[in-house]
Amino acid sequence: DVVMTQSPLSLPVTLGQAASISCRSSQSLVYSDGNTYLNWFQQRPGQAPRRLIYKVSNRDSGVPDRFSGSGSGTDFTLKISRVEAEDVGVYYCMQGTHWPLYTFGQGTKLEIK
Amino acid sequence: QLQLQESGPGLVKPSETLSLTCAVSGGSISSSGYYWGWIRQPPGNGLEWIGSIYYSGSTYYNPSLKSRVTISVDTSKNQFSLKLSSVTAADTAVYYCARSSAAKNGMDVWGQGTTVTVSS
Repeated sequence: DVVMTQSPLSLPVTLGQAASISCRSSQSLVYSDGNTYLNWFQQRPGQAPRRLIYKVSNRDSGVPDRFSGSGSGTDFTLKISRVEAEDVGVYYCMQGTHWPLYTFGQGTKLEIK
Repeated sequence: QLQLQESGPGLVKPSETLSLTCAVSGGSISSSGYYWGWIRQPPGNGLEWIGSIYYSGSTYYNPSLKSRVTISVDTSKNQFSLKLSSVTAADTAVYYCARSSAAKNGMDVWGQGTTVTVSS
């Protein structure tokens, strides 16, 4: 099975500063069609998760452009250029390449210093 | 705007079967190309995919739960359901239903979640 490993697991950030979350997979996430199906989700406190980014770097509708995704193969990064208070929550990466099995990372808790 | 709403008992006894329903509004569950799935989150923990059903009825389950899981669709009621048998305290979690418009891109619409506690 594909294992997704996130770091750090806890991320204290000052408002207005940048934040970066790493996600590594135990196997390549490049699919035979050439696409890489690595997705990012945000879960605000007390809320359901919502997808932020799909296929490494494609932002969902309504997601602020301060969120960006990058990476390839087995190493991926979610960056927030200027953290705002509403960004507090837990962020999960999830691979879809090896569907029909989804695997999530452990989650990274972002908090304001 | 598509909306999903989970419903079902909040308390289930050990060894019994957990049954949840996800009502779909603002769209048809029979629309081609969509997957409808269940994800759970134990208290204080991360997300675990349980399984999904394609609009055509094909089902896909997490191997770790496959022997206990059944997902089905009721097109007449525009809803889909989850059954998890032989539950234990380890099945206590918030259960979410969700839609995927493209399987490999994951879930793009989520329900608000429902808490299920397994206890006698």
